[in-house]
Formats: sequence, structure tokens, C-alpha cells
Amino acid sequence: GEDVEQSLFLSVREGDSSVINCTYTDSSSTYLYWYKQEPGAGLQLLTYIFSNMDMKQDQRLTVLLNKKDKHLSLRIADTQTGDSAIYFCAEEGAGSYQLTFGKGTKLSVIP
Amino acid sequence: DGGITQSPKYLFRKEGQNVTLSCEQNLNHDAMYWYRQDPGQGLRLIYYSQIVNDFQKGDIAEGYSVSREKKESFPLTVTSAQKNPTAFYLCASSMPGRTTNTGELFFGEGSRLTVL
Repeated sequence: GEDVEQSLFLSVREGDSSVINCTYTDSSSTYLYWYKQEPGAGLQLLTYIFSNMDMKQDQRLTVLLNKKDKHLSLRIADTQTGDSAIYFCAEEGAGSYQLTFGKGTKLSVIP
Repeated sequence: DGGITQSPKYLFRKEGQNVTLSCEQNLNHDAMYWYRQDPGQGLRLIYYSQIVNDFQKGDIAEGYSVSREKKESFPLTVTSAQKNPTAFYLCASSMPGRTTNTGELFFGEGSRLTVL
């Protein structure tokens, strides 16, 4: 079955850039997502990218997709303490509309 | 405002008791989902429903039951057969292929169940 892998922890200093990485196995993935979860809350969609795109930028967020290597990354520029959260990568299989989630990367921002 | 409402936010139960978690959405979404979240485990799919009166088991359905009698509602019952029910439960909905042409999920705020 499909699998999505992420590192569990990342720590950065306030003002630096954060890069969260994700790898997936399903070569037929159509969309890839990044969700953010703050403590004790549900998940909120940050951004998503269609599989035929290489990059998507949205304000401080940059998503890079290497489809050949099945590697997805999320870069957060000028990381703030409010960015401290768990970030989930998810992939959507072709035609399924079902999402497979990674285990989440906990981002800690040091003031 | 449109959204997904889960209740209760916190729930305590004794071993051997069944408990039902509520999930209501007013987004007019066809599909609804229940996930379980444990620390370091990510999200695991319990059950999902793509249409009223129909639902399918996810990866960890044992010890859980659901119903989908109305489009807006998808309650989850955690039965006494669930061996380790203490967890954070998340409900989600989606409208695949209709709005964004994606399977984007919209999540509720979660319910934390603790078994004493």
C-alpha cells in the first residue's frame, strides 16, 4: 500500500527558514498536501500541489515537488513562534480521493 | 459559519463502557471520515462514508462502529471491544471532485477520549 514518510522533529531559530521533508511511494499520486495542526486542535490545510507541478509559492510558504524521487518539501520563510505546530504531509491516490498521511513533523521555533 | 463540529471536546469513560462521539457538518459534503491520532503515530483511518447509508472500514475499524443516517452527521461509537481507546479522535469531511477537484479534507477540532 501507499506509504508517506516524514521526520518526526525539527527545531529552528525564529527568523530562519524551516524545511520539512516528505517522501511517498505511490507514483500515481495526483495531489500532495501540507496540513498544520496546532496543539489540541484539528488539522488545517496549508497548501497543496498538483503532481504535474514542480513548485508552488504562497507568501512565506514554498512547496517543492520532485516527482521522479517522490519527494515533497515545505519551506517556511522567516519562521515565527506562531509556526510551531505539527505539519502533516499527505498524498492522494489517482481517482481515489483518499488521503494517506505521514506521521507528522513537530516544528519547534526557538525565540 | 460553515464547518465541522465535534463533541464533546473531552470525554472520560470507564473500562467496559461504550461511548459515542458526535460529528456534524454543514458544508454539504458527501464524504465523511473518522481518524484516530496517537502521539508519533500520525492519523489512522477508522471508518469513512462516501454517501448516506453507506460506510466502509478503514485501517483500524476493530472495536468501533459508525452510522450515516443523515448527510450532516457521522457519529462514531467506541465500544468496549476496543482494547486501547484512549486517543484523540478527528472527524473530517470532503466533497471530492466537486469544488477544488481534489480530495481536500476539512477537519473538526477533535475529541479527546480518556479511559480510566
